[in-house]
Order: sequence, then structure tokens, then C-alpha cells
Amino acid sequence: NAGVTQTPKFQVLKTGQSMTLQCAQDMNHNSMYWYRQDPGMGLRLIYYSASEGTTDKGEVPNGYNVSRLNKREFSLRLESAAPSQTSVYFCASTWNRESGNTIYFGEGSWLTVV
Amino acid sequence: DAKTTQPPSMDCAEGRAANLPCNHSTISGNEYVYWYRQIHSQGPQYIIHGLKNNETNEMASLIITEDRKSSTLILPHATLRDTAVYYCIVSREGTGSARQLTFGSGTQLTVLP
Repeated sequence: NAGVTQTPKFQVLKTGQSMTLQCAQDMNHNSMYWYRQDPGMGLRLIYYSASEGTTDKGEVPNGYNVSRLNKREFSLRLESAAPSQTSVYFCASTWNRESGNTIYFGEGSWLTVV
Repeated sequence: DAKTTQPPSMDCAEGRAANLPCNHSTISGNEYVYWYRQIHSQGPQYIIHGLKNNETNEMASLIITEDRKSSTLILPHATLRDTAVYYCIVSREGTGSARQLTFGSGTQLTVLP
């Protein structure tokens, strides 16, 4: 049981490049989330998804797109990376009948845009 | 979901109890109080949650006031490995529907040797 798995763990991009962060969970959770965390700051919600096929904006959605590919997978795409998107990105999932609303997080993806 | 307020930082001596407060004065009747912690550079980790009654598990105790407007997370014997940012959030239970789960800035707990 791997929990929440994110890839890649580290990435360096040039300004204007695009990339996709992948996230998968094996806990049969309904809801999935993407957060970013800047140095010395708390977590800020980018997008979330109630179930496959549905997505909603969080606090800081500009510059990002998401896809809930199926119940397990929720990807985050940067179409044209900017230095302001340098951050640590965390994927999270929650809710099944066993675990309730406990949130499980991935280990983070460190992204640097130069 | 209700907002929470936490002090930005606290220190605690190793071996002593760490008491971390959280204010959630706008909490509604069907919202639970959850605590998570984030050790440097790692993903946040679940600690404990509760509705009305005090709760205890192998990691911590949670004390919720009778009016539910505030709570305290207690680490009974803090160790250096408990140094982390601690987040208090409130969340509705049971519907399974996604909603914005927002984390504030949390409390940076530093356990001193």
C-alpha cells in the first residue's frame, strides 16, 4: 500500500517550458488535491477534485490546469512555467468509508523555474 | 469550512508537554477539528481529530472546549523529532464530497534540548 505517490520528485524547468506533475493514490479515495508551498509559508490550495471528471479551483489556480484521469490519478500541468511557480507541490487525497476525512499527502515535488 | 487561528511559533523543552492552541470560533456543529504536522520538507502527516469529546491516541491528545470554539493539541513528552509545523483545520465529516480544505500558516513548534 503506497498511499499517495507523486512524480517527479525534483524538476528544473526553463521559463516558458511546460510540464505535468503526476499523482496517484491507491486508497480508493474520492477526493484529490494539489497544494503548493513556498519557503516559510503554509500550504495553498491550487485545484481539487471531488471525483473523476470533476475539478474545481482553489485559492491560487492561475497558471495551472488539472486532469482527474480516473479515480486514482490527478495530474497538475504547468503550460508555460514562470519563476513565480518555483515551489514545492504536494498532492493529497481523502475520503473513503474506512478513513473518513483524514487527508493523506504525497512526499512533495520540488520544482524550480529558471 | 470554518477558519482557524494559531500562534506562529512556540518553544518547548525536551521531555515536557507541548500544548498547542487553536481558535476556531466560527466552527459549526458538524465540523470536526483535525490536527496535522509537517516535519521539514516532508508531506503533512495526520495526528488526531475530534468532534466534541477529548481524544487520545499514541501520538497526542486533543482537548476541545465545551463551546467547541477552541482546542489544544497536547504532545505529552515532546522529543526533538516533534519539531515541526502543526496545522489545525476544521472539516465537515461524512459526506465524502470534495471541498476546499485550506491550511493556515500553522504553529512552528521547536523542541529544545
